[in-house]
Amino acid sequence: ETGVTQSPTHLIKTRGQQVTLRCSSQSGHNTVSWYQQALGQGPQFIFQYYREEENGRGNFPPRFSGLQFPNYSSELNVNALELDDSALYLCASSLRTGGKGETQYFGPGTRLLVL
Amino acid sequence: GDSVTQMEGPVTLSEEAFLTINCTYTATGYPSLFWYVQYPGEGLQLLLKATKADDKGSNKGFEATYRKETTSFHLEKGSVQVSDSAVYFCALQGGSEKLVFGKGTKLTVNP
Repeated sequence: ETGVTQSPTHLIKTRGQQVTLRCSSQSGHNTVSWYQQALGQGPQFIFQYYREEENGRGNFPPRFSGLQFPNYSSELNVNALELDDSALYLCASSLRTGGKGETQYFGPGTRLLVL
Repeated sequence: GDSVTQMEGPVTLSEEAFLTINCTYTATGYPSLFWYVQYPGEGLQLLLKATKADDKGSNKGFEATYRKETTSFHLEKGSVQVSDSAVYFCALQGGSEKLVFGKGTKLTVNP
């Protein structure tokens, strides 16, 4: 069983550019969540996708957008990059069954540096 | 809104010492509670979880009990090893299914 994978592992961009980060879900999972982890902080929820629809969003501006594909893989797009967007971006997949406390399994993350 | 407060680190222990990392939460309803661990340069790994009051989660010698009366989910281990050195995150999951994390506690275990 393949775990959650993310690409690229590292990325350097300049202010104002756009970036796309990719995530492949764990086999059998139908839900993907994205988190931003600034240095020395806990992860902050960006949004979640379930069956290709956005299903909840955290306190992030519209320039953060996403997609989920029929194979449940996902992309996170960030437009007009700002210096404060420098962080580790984590993708997590889970299987939504309607139960309580469904575990989210995290990928290794993409480290983004904005100069 | 929902929030998680963890004891501030860093925590430095000698091998075989007893570990406690405190975690308290604020939430509406009855959230599920989690401990995740992050090793250097890696993503988060689930350590243990509990979904209702008085449940005890356990894994790899770590334990935490969901205490509704004190809104706490403290992480404990009786005898830590050097390989336990990592950052530990307490998190809750409420009705919205997003995870809300604490700021993390860095643990260093010396031989």
